[in-house]
Amino acid sequence: DAKTTQPNSMESNEEEPVHLPCNHSTISGTDYIHWYRQLPSQGPEYVIHGLTSNVNNRMASLAIAEDRKSSTLILHRATLRDAAVYYCILTGGGNKLTFGTGTQLKVEL
Amino acid sequence: EAGVVQSPRYKIIEKKQPVAFWCNPISGHNTLYWYRQNLGQGPELLIRYENEEAVDDSQLPKDRFSAERLKGVDSTLKIQPAELGDSAVYLCASSLNGPTKQFFGPGTRLTVL
Repeated sequence: DAKTTQPNSMESNEEEPVHLPCNHSTISGTDYIHWYRQLPSQGPEYVIHGLTSNVNNRMASLAIAEDRKSSTLILHRATLRDAAVYYCILTGGGNKLTFGTGTQLKVEL
Repeated sequence: EAGVVQSPRYKIIEKKQPVAFWCNPISGHNTLYWYRQNLGQGPELLIRYENEEAVDDSQLPKDRFSAERLKGVDSTLKIQPAELGDSAVYLCASSLNGPTKQFFGPGTRLTVL
């Protein structure tokens, strides 16, 4: 599976938008881009996924670069409950999620 | 709708002892996964079931780990004997079709002394 690169940590203020970047320069045409997050002492939680077009759901938005070599998870208004580790994962023919170390998001008042 | 249920939530054992983890997936989910998560790392897939069949167990240390999913519903992951390096959180997940939307349980935190 293609590899992703994410910053180790990011900080945000509550009620401000957060843009979490992910680089995946070796992505193949069949790789989907997935985002999961893991709150403290919980299992990971699905956030969003996409292939080529930008995607929106109730939790977040996913912006995918035109060349698909990078993507950004957008939390429109961060809350304290959004503090978690966010994982950017590619899946293709492997039919499985391969987690990296993710980005630790800290949200402050 | 009930989520993925795992038990126990915490387990402390001495090395060389056996241990078992149980998982009840979301009703109707045919795919079940076991992951191991070491401190500060992302989850690592151990085994994936499609109904009763283990279709990917390439990362399962077969000398001491075993798993089963009888009747394609509940699953049990066993370690015998446990080693110090097995201390981790063991996560179970299930999905309806493919890896896209996996639903994870809260995990079992294993401490081997």
